[in-house]
Amino acid sequence: DTGVSQNPRHKITKRGQNVTFRCDPISEHNRLYWYRQTLGQGPEFLTYFQNEAQLEKSRLLSDRFSAERPKGSFSTLEIQRTEQGDSAMYLCASSPQASDTGELFFGEGSRLTVL
Amino acid sequence: ILNVEQSPQSLHVQEGDSTNFTCSFPSSNFYALHWYRWETAKSPEALFVMTLNGDEKKKGRISATLNTKEGYSYLYIKGSQPEDSATYLCAFGNEKLTFGTGTRLTIIP
Repeated sequence: DTGVSQNPRHKITKRGQNVTFRCDPISEHNRLYWYRQTLGQGPEFLTYFQNEAQLEKSRLLSDRFSAERPKGSFSTLEIQRTEQGDSAMYLCASSPQASDTGELFFGEGSRLTVL
Repeated sequence: ILNVEQSPQSLHVQEGDSTNFTCSFPSSNFYALHWYRWETAKSPEALFVMTLNGDEKKKGRISATLNTKEGYSYLYIKGSQPEDSATYLCAFGNEKLTFGTGTRLTIIP
């Protein structure tokens, strides 16, 4: 399977714990994006990388959130001291740098439930 | 803050009927308008990326139109089938997409 892979698919944690999600993009894609979707909303942009450089972070991304893409391949999104409001689907997507269409290729998401 | 709105929020359609729904977006500083289909427990999948005013795109029974001057796009599904049941998302922007809340379509066999 050469699509975007996300792990874990589901995570249940207690408030105050740290969680980390991993995303493996399509191998030749330079750009990697993180989005978050909460109930009744569309996906909201969190951050994106071109290779290993983090180019933009949303104001939604509080200090408790950190994303990395150390070697320009896989990425991790860590949430420290989770809160109930962090419960959401975390979506990762990738795209080629110079894409004619600009379409994003999404993973199946990581669903976080904070108790 | 960009505002992308989709209507209706949800829709039930009899199998075999045709349907359409709307995405509205800011008409200034247009770059691209995306449509994605998101089936339950799967990943969102790109249907169309549209960049030119007046653009019409088609993929099988699904087609889309774009009006950048007035800021709207329509998605049409002809002869709905059960496998069309999904949430249809539109998104506006460049590198950083702003998504609408989606139209949840249920096809009734």
